[in-house]
This record gives sequence, structure tokens and C-alpha cells, in this order.
Amino acid sequence: EPEVTQTPSHQVTQMGQEVILRCVPISNHLYFYWYRQILGQKVEFLVSFYNNEISEKSEIFDDQFSVERPDGSNFTLKIRSTKLEDSAMYFCASDQDSGNTIYFGEGSWLTVV
Amino acid sequence: AQTVTQSQPEMSVQEAETVTLSCTYDTSESNYYLFWYKQPPSRQMILVIRQEAYKQQNATENRFSVNFQKAAKSFSLKISDSQLGDTAMYFCAFRPTSGTYKYIFGTGTRLKVLA
Repeated sequence: EPEVTQTPSHQVTQMGQEVILRCVPISNHLYFYWYRQILGQKVEFLVSFYNNEISEKSEIFDDQFSVERPDGSNFTLKIRSTKLEDSAMYFCASDQDSGNTIYFGEGSWLTVV
Repeated sequence: AQTVTQSQPEMSVQEAETVTLSCTYDTSESNYYLFWYKQPPSRQMILVIRQEAYKQQNATENRFSVNFQKAAKSFSLKISDSQLGDTAMYFCAFRPTSGTYKYIFGTGTRLKVLA
């Protein structure tokens, strides 16, 4: 069964450093998402991406965050200057057809120290 | 604002028994989707079941079924014949069919299946 894959599974970074989280969505999917989950809290929407542009973003997704689809397969989330409060599990997700079911990757656990 | 509420932070059930997890939501939309996702200790988010609001028939998926009450804005998940592998955090989620791409999640219910 096709799946969303994410790398790295876990990254520890110093505060102020840039981080790039990578995702390979399911191949025939057109809509891509990033969500995050701070430990012990609920899953929160960050951003959606369609047709090579951001279609929607939350208030969490400020200027420190950016997304990109640099080639036909990867979808990346960049955090420019990490803060302690960015420590969370970051989930990439994709869906074939907006409104259909989104499928999540296994998550990238980011620890900022 | 649209919200999803899961009022049971933790539940436990004996293996082979049935358990029901509650979820209520608030929206002014008439068309939307509802989901239950499972998050085991590995922390991956796994789709359990999905319901379209325009369908009156409750969705079922093997041992998992929902009780969707649109007027009451309630969407509970029933797990029959509980198995140890069902131990996980369960999140209820909502998404309108138009106007937004984002899913709104509840705070989750931690389910423990006891041997």
C-alpha cells in the first residue's frame, strides 16, 4: 500500500539553527499538508499546498516557516531559526483530491535544545 | 469557530469487550467529513474510519463503527471485540467540504486495552 514517507524520523537541533523536514507524499496525490503535535497536545494544522503554492496556512505558520516542492516528489518544511517551542512531532500528509481522506506520514520528531 | 471535543481523556476496556469513544463537534456547515484517527505508541497517525455528513448510514470498518448523529453533532466510535493492538490515542477530526483545507482535531482519548 502506498504511503507517505518522512525523514528524518528524529532530529535534535540547537536553538536558532535552520531545520528542513522532508516528505515524499503518495505519488498520485495533489494536496500536501504539514501538521504538528506538541507532546501531549492535539494535532494542529500548519499549512496546505496545492499546485505549487500555499493554499492555506494557520497563524502558527509565521515567517519562520516555509514549504517547498523542489522536485516532483519531495515536499519540505523549513524552519529558519528554531525556537524551543518548535519542539514537536511534525506530520506530513497528502491527499488525492481536496476533501478526500488525508494520509499521514510517520512523523518527524524535532527536539530543539 | 469550528471545534471538536473529546470529553474522555482516558478509557480502558477488557480484551474482547466493546468500548465507545465520544466526540462532539460544533459547526455551522451542512456538508463536512468526520474522521477517527488512531495514534499508537509509535505516534503514526492511522485512519480508522471516515464519515461523510450527507450520508445517513453509519460507516463501518471491520470491528470499528460509528454512531453519527448529525442533529446532535455527535460522532462516536465503537470498537467491538477489542484487541491489545487497539491500545492507542484516538483522535476525532472534522473537515468542511469547502472553504478550508484544514482538519480540526480533538484533544484525543487514550484507550488502553487490558489483557
